[in-house]
Amino acid sequence: DQQVKQNSPSLSVQEGRISILNCDYTNSMFDYFLWYKKYPAEGPTFLISISSIKDKNEDGRFTVFLNKSAKHLSLHIVPSQPGDSAVYFCAGGYGGSQGNLIFGKGTKLSVKP
Amino acid sequence: EPEVTQTPSHQVTQMGQEVILRCVPISNHLYFYWYRQILGQKVEFLVSFYNNEISEKSEIFDDQFSVERPDGSNFTLKIRSTKLEDSAMYFCASSAGGHTEAFFGQGTRLTVV
Repeated sequence: DQQVKQNSPSLSVQEGRISILNCDYTNSMFDYFLWYKKYPAEGPTFLISISSIKDKNEDGRFTVFLNKSAKHLSLHIVPSQPGDSAVYFCAGGYGGSQGNLIFGKGTKLSVKP
Repeated sequence: EPEVTQTPSHQVTQMGQEVILRCVPISNHLYFYWYRQILGQKVEFLVSFYNNEISEKSEIFDDQFSVERPDGSNFTLKIRSTKLEDSAMYFCASSAGGHTEAFFGQGTRLTVV
């Protein structure tokens, strides 16, 4: 049972253009969502998060949009840079003190110069 | 910048042997986690630990697994009798609170032969 789904295993984008990474979830109990970036042989690195009570959060080139009715969130990267090439994981979190995260399978983003 | 450190970076062990994976979380964090990623698959939650006890665990975290915080700085994952399917990258993570981002270590690659 995949609670968090990233249906696109890979995405290729030209440098300077927008990258849009999508994520769907099934668990209504999630009350916050996070995006992590992962390079090979490294641990995931936190990128940006959004509370379930918001529909948008922006941090520099990164914006996360949340559509609760559709149980869908997306990460926008504008403009995309070659250094953004990595695997991006969407994660949902819930539960008072637990804070454990449920990850999607990841989307490999390639930004071409 | 504070970081989560894991040792060793790579561990090779024979099937049936016990292994202990070690982690030093960020010093003022209160929540600790273990995740794993089997090659080519998604990052999976194993266990969360708070206030010196397990707060939540997944189906993967069976009786072969245990966690311990033996002192004020280390957080360990023990696998009592390793199986081939335990081969994976194991990530330790910590967070300051239940609804804040988790910071991940670089991972320990466990290879069971």
